Amino acid sequence: SQQGEEDPQALSIQEGENATMNCSYKTSINNLQWYRQNSGRGLVHLILIRSNEREKHSGRLRVTLDTSKKSSSLLITASRAADTASYFCATPKTDSWGKLQFGAGTQVVVTP
Amino acid sequence: DTGVSQDPRHKITKRGQNVTFRCDPISEHNRLYWYRQTLGQGPEFLTYFQNEAQLEKSRLLSDRFSAERPKGSFSTLEIQRTEQGDSAMYLCASSLEVSGEAFFGQGTRLTVV
Repeated sequence: SQQGEEDPQALSIQEGENATMNCSYKTSINNLQWYRQNSGRGLVHLILIRSNEREKHSGRLRVTLDTSKKSSSLLITASRAADTASYFCATPKTDSWGKLQFGAGTQVVVTP
Repeated sequence: DTGVSQDPRHKITKRGQNVTFRCDPISEHNRLYWYRQTLGQGPEFLTYFQNEAQLEKSRLLSDRFSAERPKGSFSTLEIQRTEQGDSAMYLCASSLEVSGEAFFGQGTRLTVV
């Protein structure tokens, strides 16, 4: 089974609104990463948050991490049509060369 | 372009044929990963190289699959006797640090007909 599970599976919002998606994981981590994937393309790294961090910002992105609940959230503020993509959380498996374990993703559609 | 590149971007093959994909990682990255992704799912780990050594293979990688990284630079993934269930996007990624940010290529979409 996959380590990360994103929620919701799909999200449809209008430009200018905020989009929030959540990720839960099962085992202990040393960091958690968020990636974006446009349809039919490769994944693009968005942000990495370490296990000793609680919140991190990058531009319009805000990521939180709660290790006690084994969960993370990604907030995209003031969304744009170009934010339409699938978003994945991933955790590197610490005892296995850092391979990333992905959830099924949240598909975000931003309409103008 | 100094990112991860994959070739070809698309491949359509008949069932039973062999296919080979190539990945050129970022030059200073000694860690290289292959993942497979089916529609509506996240990527699943297939195999990992550190330099030229293949250090881990997923159980998803049947005997029909083989991967190499002969000089610790580019890597190839070969699928022999392809089956319809092999249809997927094959993604290559490289990284500099273990557990660090991974840089993905655009993927090779394989369709087996």
